[in-house]
Parts: sequence; structure tokens; C-alpha cells
Amino acid sequence: QVHLQESGPGLVKPSETLSLTCIVSGGSISSYYWSWIRQPPGKGLEWIGYIYYSGSTNYNPSLKSRVTISVDTSKNQFSLRLSSVTAADTAVYYCAGLNYTDYAFDMWGQGTMVTVSS
Amino acid sequence: DIQMTQSPSSLSASVGDRVTITCRASQSISSYLNWYQQKPGKAPKLLIYAASSLQSGVPSRFSGSGSGTDFTLTISSLQPEDFATYYCHQSYTTPYTFGQGTKLDIK
Repeated sequence: QVHLQESGPGLVKPSETLSLTCIVSGGSISSYYWSWIRQPPGKGLEWIGYIYYSGSTNYNPSLKSRVTISVDTSKNQFSLRLSSVTAADTAVYYCAGLNYTDYAFDMWGQGTMVTVSS
Repeated sequence: DIQMTQSPSSLSASVGDRVTITCRASQSISSYLNWYQQKPGKAPKLLIYAASSLQSGVPSRFSGSGSGTDFTLTISSLQPEDFATYYCHQSYTTPYTFGQGTKLDIK
């Protein structure tokens, strides 16, 4: 059973960089497209981007200029960096695995709340 | 971007009711349509993938149909644990997009 766990600061100051890591345990990181998805309080889901274990990435154009997703296969983890954050980036951030056979997010981390505030 | 529009945005129903939620895509997405259930404070859970395939472990009272631009999620007989918010999601092309959600609560 593959398990995903997000970690990172829960509070980030405006204009700074949000950094989160997702550890993949119980399975191989080579089996999925690994995504970050966020959900502002009381709102819907927004796909941020994904990375494949080879390092190839695909970002949402709405965030592309500020997003970097990286992978460390030796540690079975992938990471998100979102620069120049504002209050609009306050959200629960989920890491999730997109099954490239079914093209669905069939595994999710529990989510981590990140608040942007001074 | 492909816009996903769900209806209704909210729905009140009773245990045992049959419920249908619809999702419309702004362009054809073939069958690249998935449905998720989200309960408060929890991550979404995959229910249906590829428009009509039931995810392993999901009760058979959940079913999905449709292709192209119009899709439906049906719950044949509502159970107490089904009261939640439901999202559709297109994986036809990036950026992947989600519907705005349908909140299902107890009448």
C-alpha cells in the first residue's frame, strides 16, 4: 500500500517561497506522475503540476512562472517550490499520484495547510 | 483550459434516495473523466475513473456514465457515509481541471 506524506512550513510570509516535500512510501516512485494540487479554504481543487521520475515536468500555465517541482528518486520523494507567494496562495496543498494507465489521481496525501501571512 | 461545470452545486437528499450529479466539459474529453468524493478535512478519494470504471473498493451503488462533453455520477441508494462533496476531473489534457464541486447533504 503506497502512502504519501506532505511536509513543510505551515506559515510563509508574503513574497517568500513556499516549499513542500512529499515522501512516497510503500512503493516505487517510478510508477506514477506525481502531482501537487491545492484547495483554498472553502473552495475547489486546482492542479499545480506534475513530475515523472525521469524529471520531466508539466505545470499549470496559471502558475508556471512561479512553480518548480523536483524529484529525488534516491529518497523516494518529490518537492514543490512556489515563489513570490501572496495571500491568494493560502490553501491546503495535496500531493497526489496520477496513474498513467487510468489517468486518475488514485492516491493522495493527507494534505497540509499553508497560510501566507506576515 | 477545459472548463468543467457541475450541476447542481448543492443537493439535499435522504438516505435511500437515488442521486445524480452531472458534469459538463467545455470541449470533448472522450472518456477522460474521473469522479472524487471529499469529506471535510480529508483528501479527495477516487470513486470512478475513465467515466464509468469503478475504483477498487468503492461500493457498487456508485456508477458513472457519459463520454464527450456530458457525464453523470449516480448513487443508487444513498447511505449516511455518502454525504460529502463530489468533484469531477478531466485528465484529457493539461492543465488538468476540476469541476467546482457538488455538496450533498442530508435533507
